This record gives sequence, structure tokens and C-alpha cells, in this order.
Amino acid sequence: DTAVSQTPKYLVTQMGNDKSIKCEQNLGHDTMYWYKQDSKKFLKIMFSYNNKELIINETVPNRFSPKSPDKAHLNLHINSLELGDSAVYFCASSHEKKRLYNEQFFGPGTRLTVL
Amino acid sequence: KNQVEQSPQSLIILEGKNCTLQCNYTVSPFSNLRWYKQDTGRGPVSLTIMTFSENTKSNGRYTATLDADTKQSSLHITASQLSDSASYICVVSGGGANNLFFGTGTRLTVIP
Repeated sequence: DTAVSQTPKYLVTQMGNDKSIKCEQNLGHDTMYWYKQDSKKFLKIMFSYNNKELIINETVPNRFSPKSPDKAHLNLHINSLELGDSAVYFCASSHEKKRLYNEQFFGPGTRLTVL
Repeated sequence: KNQVEQSPQSLIILEGKNCTLQCNYTVSPFSNLRWYKQDTGRGPVSLTIMTFSENTKSNGRYTATLDADTKQSSLHITASQLSDSASYICVVSGGGANNLFFGTGTRLTVIP
């Protein structure tokens, strides 16, 4: 009955590799997000995406790309991983029509460690 | 510049005691303010949301207040429990495009 799920929970990889993190939500939401939480626990939005619009935080390197096969999934693909990419990545979802209240439901996070 | 600042950064209290966490923001125009609780190793979970016209809202032992004039919010936790140990994040929606602005959080530790 998990609402927002992410895989894997932990990811350890070498610098320069390409990796993907998967996210799925079963809430029927039409908007999904990716956040990065750094070592200081600050949550920073990377992308918001629904079937109409992709909004990219301009500070996100183009090595990061969201891929959405359908409304229930938003995967995060990262090319040429760097040490600074080490962080916890959270997926979230919300309903566009309730956007005024912006309640987002978060996944459990994926801890990425780049060696 | 749209910003959200929280204080204190961290707080340790004894089980059963009350505490208050602060959130100051400069986001304009303002849409709403939400407090999230983030347990270690988990994603944030919404506790309360307040719009411009609301100045207090409760969720069990959690009571949030909002002063839209001074752009301040507080989260008061009554009779703390060990399970209240978590990070509490203040998130303000607004800035003209209903963007979300996150505070850096307050790390609360409740000790027996």
C-alpha cells in the first residue's frame, strides 16, 4: 500500500558512471517531483513534471534528466556521476488541481554515494 | 529575495516537555505555509498547512501559528514524545508562480 516508492534505497557507484533512480506513485497524482537533500539536510527541488509540462530548476546540471514513461512513474537518470552528486534524492507527487495547497507526498529517498 | 529561515537549527528537550520551532519567511506574494516532519531515513510528511487567513491550526499535539503581517510561523509541540525526534521543515508556497521555498529545518531530539 506504499504511496510513493523509490528504488534503489541505497546506490553506491564510481565517479563517471551513469545511473538511474526509479520512482512510482499509486496515488493517482498527475505531478511528480525530484528533490536533492544535501549533507546539511536542505531540500532543493530539481524538477517538477506532469503530462503537460517539465519545469527544470536552472541550477541543475544537464547531466540530470527526468524520464516519465507514464503519469505514475518519474525516473531520474544521471550521467557522468560526480562526487558532488552524493546526496539523498527524494521523489514526491501531488495533484495538479490541488496545486494551491501544494501538498506533496514524498518517497522514502535514495541515498546516492559516489566514490 | 524569497527565503525561508528556521530556528533553532537543532534542539534537545526532555520527554514530556513542550517546545516551539520558528520559521521566518520573505516569500512574496504568499500563498500558504506548510510544516513537514521528516523522520531519519524517511521522506517528509505534512503536519499542517495554513493559508493567509488562518493564524492557527492544530494536528494532535502539534499547533502551528501564522502571522502573515510579520511573516512568521511557529510550530508548538506539546508533551513531547520520543517519536517526535525528527527534522521539522517549514515550506512556503508563493513567489508569484506558487513555487515552493524550503527552510533548512530544525533537528529536534527528544531524550528520556
